[in-house]
Amino acid sequence: DTGVSQNPRHKITKRGQNVTFRCDPISEHNRLYWYRQTLGQGPEFLTYFQNEAQLEKSRLLSDRFSAERPKGSFSTLEIQRTEQGDSAMYLCASSYILAGGGSYNEQFFGPGTRLTVL
Amino acid sequence: AQKVTQAQTEISVVEKEDVTLDCVYETRDTTYYLFWYKQPPSGELVFLIRRNSFDEQNEISGRYSWNFQKSTSSFNFTITASQVVDSAVYFCALSGSLNYGGSQGNLIFGKGTKLSVKP
Repeated sequence: DTGVSQNPRHKITKRGQNVTFRCDPISEHNRLYWYRQTLGQGPEFLTYFQNEAQLEKSRLLSDRFSAERPKGSFSTLEIQRTEQGDSAMYLCASSYILAGGGSYNEQFFGPGTRLTVL
Repeated sequence: AQKVTQAQTEISVVEKEDVTLDCVYETRDTTYYLFWYKQPPSGELVFLIRRNSFDEQNEISGRYSWNFQKSTSSFNFTITASQVVDSAVYFCALSGSLNYGGSQGNLIFGKGTKLSVKP
């Protein structure tokens, strides 16, 4: 397995357009996370999935953002009516959690999708 | 609320020097996990080390070592004999305790420390 992959790596769009990003996690991982990172800051949590269930959303995730993980495999993050403030690096991470918890939840990150909204 | 503070914004050292990156955290959880990640110029976050809150034993792994002190809520990371390839932004992160199917597990990151190692 080659790790977490994300596509596209770069996306330039005009304000008001919709964009969709894809994340393919490490195949045996049951958790998938989305984070957003702006220049000079650490990543900020957006949402995460346990298999196909979306279990938590950050208040950063406005109603213009939606994420899916059909069949518990790859995930997509869609931003509708993009705004200039959405310009950031969008990071995906995956991890494997043992039943009953107690795992370290080491999260392995993909290379990110850099979004620029003009 | 959970919070991670990395007071050092940028550090510059000369190759072969030792360097310590500071991290202070805040959490109300009794069980939690701490991590260090490296983000080289290529942008991909690379997992380095982890620690859980009930194990304060400090360890060394190659050129990396860490000092976890619950009494001061600190989780400092040291690179011994730094190399140019160590130049990157280093992030300290905190995660709450996990329950299978529960609502926690996201990482809380500090703002990062940019390390420049000069030849």
